[in-house]
Amino acid sequence: SAVISQKPSRDICQRGTSLTIQCQVDSQVTMMFWYRQQPGQSLTLIATANQGSEATYESGFVIDKFPISRPNLTFSTLTVSNMSPEDSSIYLCSVELAGGGYGYTFGSGTRLTVV
Amino acid sequence: AQSVTQPDIHITVSEGASLELRCNYSYGATPYLFWYVQSPGQGLQLLLKYFSGDTLVQGIKGFEAEFKRSQSSFNLRKPSVHWSDAAEYFCAVGARAAGNKLTFGGGTRVLVKP
Repeated sequence: SAVISQKPSRDICQRGTSLTIQCQVDSQVTMMFWYRQQPGQSLTLIATANQGSEATYESGFVIDKFPISRPNLTFSTLTVSNMSPEDSSIYLCSVELAGGGYGYTFGSGTRLTVV
Repeated sequence: AQSVTQPDIHITVSEGASLELRCNYSYGATPYLFWYVQSPGQGLQLLLKYFSGDTLVQGIKGFEAEFKRSQSSFNLRKPSVHWSDAAEYFCAVGARAAGNKLTFGGGTRVLVKP
């Protein structure tokens, strides 16, 4: 399976600031996704990161708040903009499993606390 | 739209006892089904997946799951639980027709008693 490196692993940020999270994969992957896991909750898909074009956002998530870049097939960033305490969550990058078949592997996540 | 329900929020089981976690899904066609485990402070690890074929699927760490189309269920089982199995377990459903996106259940937290 692809190995995902996600940075930072955790951060504490002031409200009103922005944080950019990086997701680096050790092989080229077609599908990359960003998820949010609010405290004590399940995972919710934020968007699909599309290589070379704008990300596809799920209902309730907008580009101005969560801009995403994907310059190539191994790297993506998610920015959490103008943060508020409600943005305190774990943010996870996910990519398609290598070797065919169907399924996804996840990075270890970024634990964000907004104060 | 696809949806997943995990009816049990918490389950407490004694070490060495058997474990079964329930998962019910809703989707118009045959979905792809997954079980993931999340240990405290960790990311998600794939335990097993079902696409087609044999409805009893074997996974890692001694887990298995059975797909029952008639009941729209994909329950996860382990015959004998170890203390290291204490974690949060998520059932997820995906489909090519849904853009390969995964929809997760609410999760079941498993506590293991000595």
